[in-house]
Amino acid sequence: KNEVEQSPQNLTAQEGEFITINCSYSVGISALHWLQQHPGGGIVSLFMLSSGKKKHGRLIATINIQEKHSSLHITASHPRDSAVYICAVTGGGADGLTFGKGTHLIIQP
Amino acid sequence: SAVISQKPSRDICQRGTSLTIQCQVDSQVTMMFWYRQQPGQSLTLIATANQGSEATYESGFVIDKFPISRPNLTFSTLTVSNMSPEDSSIYLCSVELTQGTGSYNEQFFGPGTRLTVL
Repeated sequence: KNEVEQSPQNLTAQEGEFITINCSYSVGISALHWLQQHPGGGIVSLFMLSSGKKKHGRLIATINIQEKHSSLHITASHPRDSAVYICAVTGGGADGLTFGKGTHLIIQP
Repeated sequence: SAVISQKPSRDICQRGTSLTIQCQVDSQVTMMFWYRQQPGQSLTLIATANQGSEATYESGFVIDKFPISRPNLTFSTLTVSNMSPEDSSIYLCSVELTQGTGSYNEQFFGPGTRLTVL
C-alpha cells in the first residue's frame, strides 16, 4: 500500500508570498492528483500529473517520478487560496486514490 | 467534466440506525468510488463500485457495514448500517473521467454527506 506524506502540515503566509507544498509517496504510481478542499468539505481537483510539470493560472505542479516526489506551488498567494491542499496517488484502474493528510494553508492579508 | 450530486447533504442519526447516501452523476461512468473523511483526518477509500458487479472493499471495510448498490452507470448508493458515533464522518463519492483525447484522467468529487451519529 502506498504511503503518502505531505509537508508542511500547516502553513501560514502573507499575501503575495510564494508557497510550496511537498508530497512524497512510497510506491510507483500511474498518476498523482492535487486537490483543494474548502471549509465545508467540497473538494476540487487542481491537477493530475503523471510526469513533468503543469501550470494553471497561479498554480504550478511538478512531479519527479524517479524520486517519487511532487510539489505544488502557488505564486502571488491570495487569501482566497486559503484551503486544505491534498496530494493523492493512484496505481490506476480500480485502485482509487490514496490520500496524504493534507496541508492546511492560511494566507493572511 | 462531471457534475456529481449527493443526498442527503447532511444528517444527524441515532446510534443503531442506518442511512443510505445517494450519488448521482450527470454522465455515464464505469467506476465510482466511495470515500470517508473522519473528523480531522484525510480521506480513505471505502470501496470501488462498478456497474453490474459487486463492489470491491478496502481493508477495514465490509459489505455488511457499508452495502453499496450500483444499478446503472450514473447512480450509486452507500448505506452506513447499524451506525455508531465512530461513523460520524463526511462521505464522498467520486468518479474518474478521461478528458480531452484520452490524454489524462480527472477526478470529480461530490459535495459530500456530513453524517453525525449521536
